[in-house]
This record gives sequence, structure tokens and C-alpha cells, in this order.
Amino acid sequence: AQSVTQPDIHITVSEGASLELRCNYSYGATPYLFWYVQSPGQGLQLLLKYFSGDTLVQGIKGFEAEFKRSQSSFNLRKPSVHWSDAAEYFCAVGVIEGGADGLTFGKGTHLIIQP
Amino acid sequence: KAGVTQTPRYLIKTRGQQVTLSCSPISGHRSVSWYQQTPGQGLQFLFEYFSETQRNKGNFPGRFSGRQFSNSRSEMNVSTLELGDSALYLCASSLEAGDNSPLHFGNGTRLTVT
Repeated sequence: AQSVTQPDIHITVSEGASLELRCNYSYGATPYLFWYVQSPGQGLQLLLKYFSGDTLVQGIKGFEAEFKRSQSSFNLRKPSVHWSDAAEYFCAVGVIEGGADGLTFGKGTHLIIQP
Repeated sequence: KAGVTQTPRYLIKTRGQQVTLSCSPISGHRSVSWYQQTPGQGLQFLFEYFSETQRNKGNFPGRFSGRQFSNSRSEMNVSTLELGDSALYLCASSLEAGDNSPLHFGNGTRLTVT
């Protein structure tokens, strides 16, 4: 079965600074990869997804992520964070064959923005 | 286009009771998935419905059940509630079934079991 690891439970970044959130997955082939964001009291919003092709994908709100097969990673980046980016970020994996377990989510990274 | 709507937003129930949560997907979406979110376990897949049929089920006891109606609306039911069932229950819809069809989440139903 697939698994997802987000090594950082909390990350604090100054407003205007760059951001990188880490995500590592375990799966025997290339999975579908997603990043979602959750603001307090809200559901999850899709930021971006990777299925195949160009390993650098662009998403909404100025986010991008890079798929690195050799490292089994799909890290999320943003060149300059805004206070409104403070939220919980989840990396998720889906299996190519359309598995029986739904998406597998990481435990999330809580992003704190310092003024 | 309206997003995924979950009702109610908050519920307080007592151990042993049962509860029904409702989810209206985005218009045109035929797949509905349910997830449980807790601080300890994170987001866990409950089940997925497509065209009124349960397509997948996660590792939850039989007390957790669901169904989907012909208009794609879905309900999930939890019987004989336990304290550990306290969680945020998230519904997500997608155009098609399968992991390559991105999920659109509702704001969830916060269930508290006392």
C-alpha cells in the first residue's frame, strides 16, 4: 500500500520569504500526486496535481511543486509567502490503477507566517 | 457553480446514538467520497460512491455506512456512536471515479460524541 510522509509538522516563515514544504511518498510506481490546503474551519482546497509529463507543475495562489522520481518526493514551493497562506497543507497520493483506498494523505504541515 | 455542501456543520451526539450526515456534490459530479479527519489519525478514507454504488471502502467498522442517491447526493451513517468517532467528516465530490479525478471538498461536519 502507498504511504505519504510530511516530515515537518510545523513550519514558520516570515512574510515575503520563500517557502518549501516537503512530501515523500512510498509506492511501487509513479502515483498521482496532489497538494491540498485547509484553512481553519474549512474543507480542503486543491492547490495542484501531478499525473505525468513535466515534473514542475504550477498551481493556484502562486504555488508550484516538483516531482522527483529518484527521491520519491513532491515538494511544494512558493517564492514569496503572504499572511493569507497561513494554513494546513496536505500532500496526497493516488494510485494509477484506481485503488481501493481512496487518496492517501500525509499528516499535514502547519504553516505559520510571521509578520 | 455551487461547491460541495455538507449538512449539518456541527452535531453533538451521545454514545450509543446514531447519526446521519448529508452531502450534496457539485452539479455534474458523479463521485462522492467521505473522509474522517482527526488530530491523531489525520485524514482517513471512509468510502467512495459512484452512480449509486459503493466503489471503495476504507478500513472502518461496519458501523460506518453510506449511500448515494440518483441525483448523486450522498449520506453517511454512523450507528452506535463511540467517543472515538468524534471527528470532522469531510465529503468530496469529483467528476468521475478514480484517483485521477481531483477531489472538491466541502467544509465538513464536525461531530462531537459525548
